[in-house]
Amino acid sequence: EIEMTQSPAALSVSPGEGATLSCRASQSVASNLAWYQQKPGQAPRLLIWGASTRATGIPARFSGSGSGTEFTLTISSLQSEDFAVYYCQQYNSWPPKTFGQGTKVEIK
Amino acid sequence: QVQLQESGPGLVKPSETLSLTCTVSGGSISGDYWSWIRQSPGKGLEWIGHIYNNGGTTYNPSLKSRLTISRDTSKNQISLRLRSVTAADTAVYYCARERPERWLQIIDYWGQGTLVTVSS
Repeated sequence: EIEMTQSPAALSVSPGEGATLSCRASQSVASNLAWYQQKPGQAPRLLIWGASTRATGIPARFSGSGSGTEFTLTISSLQSEDFAVYYCQQYNSWPPKTFGQGTKVEIK
Repeated sequence: QVQLQESGPGLVKPSETLSLTCTVSGGSISGDYWSWIRQSPGKGLEWIGHIYNNGGTTYNPSLKSRLTISRDTSKNQISLRLRSVTAADTAVYYCARERPERWLQIIDYWGQGTLVTVSS
């Protein structure tokens, strides 16, 4: 089973500032990595797939990069609706498909 | 737009069977892959397994001995049965669509989730 490790666990950011979230896989997942956003009481929402491709309707301020074992989600100029928990997930080697433990982006 | 709605008991007794149904609209379960995922405070997001277009299934090895995922194409529903539950199975259970991308699948649409508590 591939273990996904996200850092930091929590991040305090002021609106309008940028944020960089990291995700590391215990072994290579090539570019087969997705990022999800989850708000309280809601299901996760797909943001990025293929490590860097934005899902339909996702604003350009969200960008993903990386391959192999190291990945980054960057949010430029955070808006109020961006404060949430973000998860990475690998779909390269399964079963099982595995998720990171999440990074909570909080208002500073 | 694909929509998924989970339904089933919110409370299950230890050692009994957890049964959930997911009703899909806006898409046919005869295509794509359809999965169950759960989320608990202790274990985070956990992929349970999926059923795919020919009715085949793939399960999380950690749950495989207790798990059955099935489908009813006439009702456009997928189902989850998890036997011999314990408190560790308490979680919000989501059904989701996995969109094929080359030979892989991407989880793109999620239901709203349903909380299942295992308690006597």
